[in-house]
Amino acid sequence: GAGVSQSPSNKVTEKGKDVELRCDPISGHTALYWYRQSLGQGLEFLIYFQGNSAPDKSGLPSDRFSAERTGGSVSTLTIQRTQQEDSAVYLCASSLVAGTSSGYTFGSGTRLTVV
Amino acid sequence: QQQVKQSPQSLIVQKGGISIINCAYENTAFDYFPWYQQFPGKGPALLIAIRPDVSEKKEGRFTISFNKSAKQFSLHIMDSQPGDSATYFCAASIVNNAGNMLTFGGGTRLMVKP
Repeated sequence: GAGVSQSPSNKVTEKGKDVELRCDPISGHTALYWYRQSLGQGLEFLIYFQGNSAPDKSGLPSDRFSAERTGGSVSTLTIQRTQQEDSAVYLCASSLVAGTSSGYTFGSGTRLTVV
Repeated sequence: QQQVKQSPQSLIVQKGGISIINCAYENTAFDYFPWYQQFPGKGPALLIAIRPDVSEKKEGRFTISFNKSAKQFSLHIMDSQPGDSATYFCAASIVNNAGNMLTFGGGTRLMVKP
């Protein structure tokens, strides 16, 4: 597609359940990023994939969070044993290559609510 | 060294006024400075960007001013309109460094009153 697609757009889950969030980047974009945005707050970096290199996981807040990127394209962010503090909008972005001036293209995000 | 500090956190401007958002950085290796605009329920979208070889870049009502010696850059929105009400993020990165990502400022929530 023309943009970054994220699904689902909204997810309500019970505390303790696992959730999977999906990101389809722009075709040909080798770099993919996940961010978290709490209500009215800034962008919290979670994880970054660049081509076939090992991902930069330095932003993941706990070992309940993990992500993978299959075939250099679609990425899935998994949150295990969700907690109420995990409630936020999870944003995915992609870019042609990291470290260029091409900029990031963001998806519209997945709004996660843990009840 | 990787921080980008953005101010103010929120801003209220009358329609027709000038909105000014400021950012400061520490890492002198940064050489790409974009601004992103985010409307409620949407992801941030690239608005305008500047490289440090110029001191100003203008696109319509939006202007980036860049001061390399002070390590500061700012976004000016001329003739601000209610439709400009959004959250704005500045960012910085190093071009041609494949391991380097954008470092974002904390965001500014702009409200333009009719």
